[in-house]
Amino acid sequence: EAGVAQSPRYKIIEKRQSVAFWCNPISGHATLYWYQQILGQGPKLLIQFQNNGVVDDSQLPKDRFSAERLKGVDSTLKIQPAKLEDSAVYLCASSPTEGSLAYTFGSGTRLTVV
Amino acid sequence: GENVEQHPSTLSVQEGDSAVIKCTYSDSASNYFPWYKQELGKGPQLIIDIRSNVGEKKDQRIAVTLNKTAKHFSLHITETQPEDSAVYFCAAADDYKLSFGAGTTVTVRA
Repeated sequence: EAGVAQSPRYKIIEKRQSVAFWCNPISGHATLYWYQQILGQGPKLLIQFQNNGVVDDSQLPKDRFSAERLKGVDSTLKIQPAKLEDSAVYLCASSPTEGSLAYTFGSGTRLTVV
Repeated sequence: GENVEQHPSTLSVQEGDSAVIKCTYSDSASNYFPWYKQELGKGPQLIIDIRSNVGEKKDQRIAVTLNKTAKHFSLHITETQPEDSAVYFCAAADDYKLSFGAGTTVTVRA
């Protein structure tokens, strides 16, 4: 089966600019996650979707981050305005059903904010 | 929330030797403990997992042990090979949410 697709692979922006990341999960996977991985650290959950509804966004900095999953398939994560500390790899993962921990991760988008 | 600590942060082993990575967790409600391998430029990939009702699990050269009383679990890699060089993450989860350790960079010297 095709894996989790993410784009772009790399992005460099200046602080205060905006940026968007895109994720296409494995076909049929109902649950989608966005994780932030800062260099030298483990991934940290930002938001979890079940179909097109938000299950958990308690760790999402809502003053600057937003995410949506229209039609319960693709998802976009947006940062506006970006700060230097947002430099990280943004990983998307999907799993077949809510409560399933059989995650499949994409390769991530590496964001550098200068 | 769950707090997962992972040690060591870096590990260098001679090819053919064993590697051991240890993790501790804080939330006694956690019941699922996966291990991920992350190669450069790629996302984490699940290599082995264990549930709280099992004490040990093996898959070829990889094994994981769990001590629920002490709240720690370990990854053991035997007969290490150059392709085992990567960053390894442990994680702990309750019903649906994974919390990751900070990672261990394993280097296998030829």
